[in-house]
Amino acid sequence: EAQVTQNPRYLITVTGKKLTVTCSQNMNHEYMSWYRQDPGLGLRQIYYSMNVEVTDKGDVPEGYKVSRKEKRNFPLILESPSPNQTSLYFCASSFRQNSGNTIYFGEGSWLTVV
Amino acid sequence: GQNIDQPTEMTATEGAIVQINCTYQTSGFNGLFWYQQHAGEAPTFLSYNVLDGLEEKGRFSSFLSRSKGYSYLLLKELQMKDSASYLCAVRETTDSWGKLQFGAGTQVVVTP
Repeated sequence: EAQVTQNPRYLITVTGKKLTVTCSQNMNHEYMSWYRQDPGLGLRQIYYSMNVEVTDKGDVPEGYKVSRKEKRNFPLILESPSPNQTSLYFCASSFRQNSGNTIYFGEGSWLTVV
Repeated sequence: GQNIDQPTEMTATEGAIVQINCTYQTSGFNGLFWYQQHAGEAPTFLSYNVLDGLEEKGRFSSFLSRSKGYSYLLLKELQMKDSASYLCAVRETTDSWGKLQFGAGTQVVVTP
């Protein structure tokens, strides 16, 4: 079954304690991305990757890091989480096609930083 | 940057029709997507328009006018399960084929 898997799905952590949210896809997609979703703001892109070892900043990259060492994995790293990073996070992936491609989303990770 | 506007909330009765408008202002355009998102769940793909006109898919249709920077999603024969947030998203350029800019979403409430 084609899927994007994120872990953990739910996490409460404390300010400053490094954490990683993993994302894995089994569809051999070149493109992967992280979004955060906040009330009234919609989905905002944090980082994206167009292929292995190729990453770039999205619209709200501050406070986050990513890596793309393998095609299937795209972890999101919060080196020193702060309460303003409390949000719902989605990982997404797609093929590198010019038109009509859909983007597949993971189920989301609820992160609370206290 | 991009500006994508859609109404915050719409309410309609079961069996009725609702039209969700989306206007966008972008430096480039390479496709507009509509997604449905139930509370706490991942967005799911509904439709994609890159050329002007209407795309129909069952009870859902999507329209695009590139010259007006305008799209709408039409939901017909509304069902209770259609209560969800509907997200309009624009892809700006061919170079950013996977990068979508999302509107804040329109919450549709279907009442009995």
